[in-house]
Amino acid sequence: GQQVMQIPQYQHVQEGEDFTTYCNSSTTLSNIQWYKQRPGGHPVFLIQLVKSGEVKKQKRLTFQFGEAKKNSSLHITATQTTDVGTYFCASSTGGGNKLTFGTGTQLKVEL
Amino acid sequence: SQTIHQWPATLVQPVGSPLSLECTVEGTSNPNLYWYRQAAGRGLQLLFYSVGIGQISSEVPQNLSASRPQDRQFILSSKKLLLSDSGFYLCAWSLGVGGELFFGEGSRLTVL
Repeated sequence: GQQVMQIPQYQHVQEGEDFTTYCNSSTTLSNIQWYKQRPGGHPVFLIQLVKSGEVKKQKRLTFQFGEAKKNSSLHITATQTTDVGTYFCASSTGGGNKLTFGTGTQLKVEL
Repeated sequence: SQTIHQWPATLVQPVGSPLSLECTVEGTSNPNLYWYRQAAGRGLQLLFYSVGIGQISSEVPQNLSASRPQDRQFILSSKKLLLSDSGFYLCAWSLGVGGELFFGEGSRLTVL
């Protein structure tokens, strides 16, 4: 079955530093979604990428979908304490109904 | 607007006891419904999904079952809980194929 791996598993940064999490798949993805889960909370949808090479920005967050549609990245510029949480990528298999989540990257931001 | 309700929020159950978690969605029709489980500090594991009333797809064979008696109601059950069933259970809904998921607040289950 499809497996979506994320790296790193954990990341500690100082406030103001940048952060990047990577999502890799062994198979071509039809789309990629990104979610953020605050500690103790539930995942919240951030964005969806569909096109090869697509780049989307949300304020300090930049999302990228690889040219081969097998990888994606989320980059946060100048992290803030409000960025703390676990970031997940997710993708549906071949246009199916089920969404498979990556292993997640837990971000901690220290003052 | 659409909302999703999931309950109970927290429960502590002894091994071998039954389980029933309920999830309802308001403000939409014919949603896709999902149950995910998240072990402490881990990722999200898809347990069941449903594209319509009475239609359940199981992703992981285990002692859990799901039912969808109504269009916007999704129930997760177990007849006998195991220690390994402890975790954070999340219900979610989406519209259409590959749509974004909207999650409930989650139910934190501890089996002792």
